Amino acid sequence: SQKIEQNSEALNIQEGKTATLTCNYTNYSPAYLQWYRQDPGRGPVFLLLIRENEKEKRKERLKVTFDTTLKQSLFHITASQPADSATYLCALGRGGADKLIFGTGTRLQVFP
Amino acid sequence: GAVVSQHPSWVICKSGTSVKIECRSLDFQATTMFWYRQFPKQSLMLMATSNEGSKATYEQGVEKDKFLINHASLTLSTLTVTSAHPEDSSFYICSARPLGDTQYFGPGTRLTVL
Repeated sequence: SQKIEQNSEALNIQEGKTATLTCNYTNYSPAYLQWYRQDPGRGPVFLLLIRENEKEKRKERLKVTFDTTLKQSLFHITASQPADSATYLCALGRGGADKLIFGTGTRLQVFP
Repeated sequence: GAVVSQHPSWVICKSGTSVKIECRSLDFQATTMFWYRQFPKQSLMLMATSNEGSKATYEQGVEKDKFLINHASLTLSTLTVTSAHPEDSSFYICSARPLGDTQYFGPGTRLTVL
């Protein structure tokens, strides 16, 4: 069955540094991959979508890469701020009526 | 844009009662809506997928008679937890998908069954 793994349960970094989160998957061929941010007690908030034919996508301080050969996506937050502290979820999908499959999430803590 | 609301944001009920949770897409029409539940420190678990005007498709292991889903319009879906028990206590989140691949999530509903 398909499996999605996100690196380490928690990631602690200093303000101003670049945070890099990893999403690896097996037994699956997604058409796209999405990243969401989730704060405690809240629903996920959509951040970025990257398709299988795209290598990289950027949005302000966020950058996502997608390597279908390695079956991996990297999510970068540059110049990180304490307000970036949250849990980040990756999700894979094939489109159409297919459902999203979520990873377990990585909790990011940015300290001053 | 792409705002999804849920009501109520939290609810406490007695065991054996039924609870209805509403999910609305406020500024777009959602061809498909999804219902998830999430336990503490765990990821989202899909419960069911619903398309407007048709019966919901439930994931394996989810009791359709216990979790009733009604997708009455392109902007409203409801989840009713029937005869709730303490083990149904969880965080329930809906999402709505307009045309395209992105799902937009509601803020979630915290259900506590006493």
